[in-house]
Amino acid sequence: GQNIDQPTEMTATEGAIVQINCTYQTSGFNGLFWYQQHAGEAPTFLSYNVLDGLEEKGRFSSFLSRSKGYSYLLLKELQMKDSASYLCAVRATDKLIFGTGTRLQVFP
Amino acid sequence: DSGVTQTPKHLITATGQRVTLRCSPRSGDLSVYWYQQSLDQGLQFLIQYYNGEERAKGNILERFSAQQFPDLHSELNLSSLELGDSALYFCASSVSPGLAGGLSYNEQFFGPGTRLTVL
Repeated sequence: GQNIDQPTEMTATEGAIVQINCTYQTSGFNGLFWYQQHAGEAPTFLSYNVLDGLEEKGRFSSFLSRSKGYSYLLLKELQMKDSASYLCAVRATDKLIFGTGTRLQVFP
Repeated sequence: DSGVTQTPKHLITATGQRVTLRCSPRSGDLSVYWYQQSLDQGLQFLIQYYNGEERAKGNILERFSAQQFPDLHSELNLSSLELGDSALYFCASSVSPGLAGGLSYNEQFFGPGTRLTVL
């Protein structure tokens, strides 16, 4: 079966660091994506991991451990505009399977 | 702006009706994906087309169908609509279908979505 788990909601303070975890169980694995989605808007691509390890991209980093079926998205120096949902998605063969997303609220 | 366009932006209709959602991919993209996003279910993959042919199928109901035309735009047809079909429908496009097993990937660019309300 296919299963992707993320926390439903998280809160953090402006300027802080937050880590959003994602665990997955899928038949077939061809990479893991993180997308950001503001309410009512389209998801936008943040990062892609296919090999184990950390990928850094400015304030955002993403980590993958394939043996543990685990990924996290790390957001540093949080800004108010980072308040959004963060979607973890696994590419299993030709399909992209999304988790239900983590709604992050950043407070001043 | 991702370069993917979707029309209409909003659609309100009644149960039992049929609607067509339209998507134009980014210039040069051959692959089109359709997703449904409802409040309680997250983003659900429906179907993918590549260069006019069906490539992959997700949790798409039999009441729903799609096609990709020679000019690469795509339409999603929803029929015998039910209240539970109310959702945001997103189209995404990528250059190619995405090669399984390799290091390459094809980022999917999402359109702005069509919000369907079934009353």
